[in-house]
Amino acid sequence: AQSVTQPDIHITVSEGASLELRCNYSYGATPYLFWYVQSPGQGLQLLLKYFSGDTLVQGIKGFEAEFKRSQSSFNLRKPSVHWSDAAEYFCAVGASNFGNEKLTFGTGTRLTIIP
Amino acid sequence: DADVTQTPRNRITKTGKRIMLECSQTKGHDRMYWYRQDPGLGLRLIYYSFDVKDINKGEISDGYSVSRQAQAKFSLSLESAIPNQTALYFCATSDFSGVSTDTQYFGPGTRLTVL
Repeated sequence: AQSVTQPDIHITVSEGASLELRCNYSYGATPYLFWYVQSPGQGLQLLLKYFSGDTLVQGIKGFEAEFKRSQSSFNLRKPSVHWSDAAEYFCAVGASNFGNEKLTFGTGTRLTIIP
Repeated sequence: DADVTQTPRNRITKTGKRIMLECSQTKGHDRMYWYRQDPGLGLRLIYYSFDVKDINKGEISDGYSVSRQAQAKFSLSLESAIPNQTALYFCATSDFSGVSTDTQYFGPGTRLTVL
């Protein structure tokens, strides 16, 4: 079974600073990887996903993530954060084998932006 | 109009009451899911359905039941609500695009409080 760890419960970043949110996964084969964002009072919105190919994935709102198989990681980055990026971010892993078609979510990282 | 809708958006009920949460989608997806979100625990899968005749338990199905009335409708029931079922509940949908686990699209959530 797959699992996801987001080591940082809460991160505070100054507006305009760079951001990196960590995600580590456990899965025996090549995983499908996702980052979702949840703004206050809202549902989850997909930021980006990785299935195969280029390990650097571009997403919406200026976010990108890099799949590193050797480190079992899929960290999310943004070069310059905006106040509107304050939200909770969830990494998720999906199995690539049929018969186990489920997403497993991490516990989330809450991002606070300070002026 | 939203692609995935949930009703009600907020509900307060008492221990022992039967509660139904409803989810409707206009995306034409076959796959639907119910999750609960608790602070610090991320999202956990309760039930999922890959078509009208296919219902599967997730990791935390005890105390819950579901009904897939049509391709577009998936309801979650709490037969006898208890306080530790107080949580934020999300419905999600996904299409079968040929990969085992593809992007899920989330509704806005239902906040349930059991007193």
